[in-house]
Amino acid sequence: KQEVTQIPAALSVPEGENLVLNCSFTDSAIYNLQWFRQDPGKGLTSLLLIQSSQREQTSGRLNASLDKSSGRSTLYIAASQPGDSATYLCAGTESYNTDKLIFGTGTRLQVFP
Amino acid sequence: DVKVTQSSRYLVKRTGEKVFLECVQDMDHENMFWYRQDPGLGLRLIYFSYDVKMKEKGDIPEGYSVSREKKERFSLILESASTNQTSMYLCATQETGGFYEQYFGPGTRLTVT
Repeated sequence: KQEVTQIPAALSVPEGENLVLNCSFTDSAIYNLQWFRQDPGKGLTSLLLIQSSQREQTSGRLNASLDKSSGRSTLYIAASQPGDSATYLCAGTESYNTDKLIFGTGTRLQVFP
Repeated sequence: DVKVTQSSRYLVKRTGEKVFLECVQDMDHENMFWYRQDPGLGLRLIYFSYDVKMKEKGDIPEGYSVSREKKERFSLILESASTNQTSMYLCATQETGGFYEQYFGPGTRLTVT
């Protein structure tokens, strides 16, 4: 059964630091990968989607990459801000013909001024 | 922008009651999903629907049913609520024809007493 690990589970950093959040799948056969953020008590907000033919996506200060050979994804946050404080979740699909996402348990990020 | 709304942000019900959670989207997406989110367990898929009147079981369908009579609306039904169904319930939608982003609603925090 596919399991998703996110490391670290929690992170507290001063404003301005560059951050790397990690996501790894026990079965490296991952086809599509989506990163989300979740604020306390709220729903998920989509950040980046890496489709099966892609290896990387960028949006503003965020960059996500997917290494399919190892089943690992990295979310890079540049110049972190207090507004980036949230839980970050990765989720992937196991095949081309499914829309079902398998979620990691998240990294809780706090950026302090 | 995709808008996904859920009927209630907070709900308190008694054991044995029949509970309806509703999700409405305004983007004409074919796919709709119901998840529950619990501390330490992450997001788990309950049911999903890929068209009107079509549904498939997710990973934890026991104790739940769903209804999709119109494309924009997907309802989750707890036939007889139990305390172990106390959770955060999240609805998501997705376009088909390839893999596209899943968009989430704000969530319903359900407490069963």
